[in-house]
Amino acid sequence: DTGVSQNPRHKITKRGQNVTFRCDPISEHNRLYWYRQTLGQGPEFLTYFQNEAQLEKSRLLSDRFSAERPKGSFSTLEIQRTEQGDSAMYLCASSELITDTQYFGPGTRLTVL
Amino acid sequence: DAKTTQPNSMESNEEEPVHLPCNHSTISGTDYIHWYRQLPSQGPEYVIHGLTSNVNNRMASLAIAEDRKSSTLILHRATLRDAAVYYCILRVLTGANSKLTFGKGITLSVRP
Repeated sequence: DTGVSQNPRHKITKRGQNVTFRCDPISEHNRLYWYRQTLGQGPEFLTYFQNEAQLEKSRLLSDRFSAERPKGSFSTLEIQRTEQGDSAMYLCASSELITDTQYFGPGTRLTVL
Repeated sequence: DAKTTQPNSMESNEEEPVHLPCNHSTISGTDYIHWYRQLPSQGPEYVIHGLTSNVNNRMASLAIAEDRKSSTLILHRATLRDAAVYYCILRVLTGANSKLTFGKGITLSVRP
């Protein structure tokens, strides 16, 4: 098992562009989480899925953000019309139902110019 | 979510034990105490968790006060690789509200 992977690792974009990030969880993990982390702060919860169902969304997740997990495996996080305030590290984590210990990926660092 | 309080930073010497404190005076009976750490340029990593009894694993030990209002993460012999931000987090173990609520954590520096 190679752990949680995220692509791309880095993304630089211009304000107003759309970006999409992908997360591949540990196989067999039912739950998948997205977090956002800005410099000097701990990660903040954005949303999570159990299989393909999106069970919770943070108020931080504006209408410009959308996440999917279509077949209960990988997930994508899309940000439309990016703003400079979206610059952050976007972290994905997965867990199995029984222990719910979350295993994090290396993150995607987004820079919005 | 119940709140935790940690010092901003701590320094230790390599190969010496490190005790990282965490206060959680508003902890509820169903809250587990979790510790994660984040090495530079990496995602957070699970360290240990417990409910009432002290816990040991290959990475660390967790000592929980009898009233559960505080806990201490113990690294028995710090190495340079242990330099990281350590987060103390309270959460219900499983169930609908399973997200992690991170604070700023405590930054551990290890001197060679």
